Amino acid sequence: EPEVTQTPSHQVTQMGQEVILRCVPISNHLYFYWYRQILGQKVEFLVSFYNNEISEKSEIFDDQFSVERPDGSNFTLKIRSTKLEDSAMYFCASSKGGNTEAFFGQGTRLTVV
Amino acid sequence: GEDVEQSLFLSVREGDSSVINCTYTDSSSTYLYWYKQEPGAGLQLLTYIFSNMDMKQDQRLTVLLNKKDKHLSLRIADTQTGDSAIYFCAEETNSGYALNFGKGTSLLVTP
Repeated sequence: EPEVTQTPSHQVTQMGQEVILRCVPISNHLYFYWYRQILGQKVEFLVSFYNNEISEKSEIFDDQFSVERPDGSNFTLKIRSTKLEDSAMYFCASSKGGNTEAFFGQGTRLTVV
Repeated sequence: GEDVEQSLFLSVREGDSSVINCTYTDSSSTYLYWYKQEPGAGLQLLTYIFSNMDMKQDQRLTVLLNKKDKHLSLRIADTQTGDSAIYFCAEETNSGYALNFGKGTSLLVTP
């Protein structure tokens, strides 16, 4: 069964460093998403991406964040200068359409020290 | 934005039915979703319901939707220990491009 895959599963980085989280969405899906879940809190929407551009973003997704689809299969989230409060589980998701069910990856646990 | 509300914990005995409740905020959501998260794992889409329906049954799962009260529930029949997980209710945002999740209900199934 097709699935969304994310790498790495866990990343530790120093405050101020740049990180890139990687995702391979399901191959015939057209919409891609990033969500995050701070420990003990709810899953929060960051950004959605369609047709090579951002279709929606939340207040959390400020100038420190960017997304890219560098080739036909990968979808990345970059955090330019990480802060302690960026520590969270980051989930990538994809869907066939904008209003159809989204399938989530296993997540990348980012720890900023 | 406004919060999707769920009770935080539910404990049931194996073989009993579990009912997880959710109050959502956006009446324009086309679909409403239930996701399951097992310890250390990602979010697994469990089931969803189209907003024009008031009930959907899928094997042991029954979803009930009360649009007037913006209330969604998930019933798990014959709950098993493997059903122990966190269950998230989610609504679509106005744009339809994002999901707004509740904080999750932690279901503990005891033998």
